[in-house]
Amino acid sequence: GAGVSQSPSNKVTEKGKDVELRCDPISGHTALYWYRQSLGQGLEFLIYFQGNSAPDKSGLPSDRFSAERTGGSVSTLTIQRTQQEDSAVYLCASSPSGAGAWNEQFFGPGTRLTVL
Amino acid sequence: AQSVTQPDIHITVSEGASLELRCNYSYGATPYLFWYVQSPGQGLQLLLKYFSGDTLVQGIKGFEAEFKRSQSSFNLRKPSVHWSDAAEYFCAVGASEYGNKLVFGAGTILRVKS
Repeated sequence: GAGVSQSPSNKVTEKGKDVELRCDPISGHTALYWYRQSLGQGLEFLIYFQGNSAPDKSGLPSDRFSAERTGGSVSTLTIQRTQQEDSAVYLCASSPSGAGAWNEQFFGPGTRLTVL
Repeated sequence: AQSVTQPDIHITVSEGASLELRCNYSYGATPYLFWYVQSPGQGLQLLLKYFSGDTLVQGIKGFEAEFKRSQSSFNLRKPSVHWSDAAEYFCAVGASEYGNKLVFGAGTILRVKS
């Protein structure tokens, strides 16, 4: 079956512009996660969705970052007024069933964001 | 809070040689432990995971890892490396007390010499 897909695969934007990154999880997966992978850094957790709710937003770095999920499926991560430090690879993951740190997370290929 | 340390940023091994990638975690109880691999341009793929029970865990692609509580370690091993194993490897920790997110190490880049 299809895995997690993300679009676009690459995004180049100018400082100050808004960007939207999209994630299509594996069908039927109720949990969805966003992570950020910056050069020289590991993966940083951004936000977790269970269905359409986001019980954990603790990793969002500033109020310029927001995310939503609709229909228990597609999620969009929006970054407003992008800054150069936002340049990174943004990874989406989904997992089946519900809460549980033991659930395997299936990752998408990521969106590489470059802010000029 | 939980943290994960992968002390080796880069490792180079010869094809056919054995491999050990180190991972140490900081957490009061036994967390859930994972190893993921990321090939260039690819998403992360789960190699193996440990929750409880037998401390030696077998994974895909011939990898194994051993959980050592006394050392707070979860090192990844492979007896004989193949050129296709060249990739970046991430150790990750999860714990219900910290929600559902995974905390990742900084990663180890594996290079394989032919």
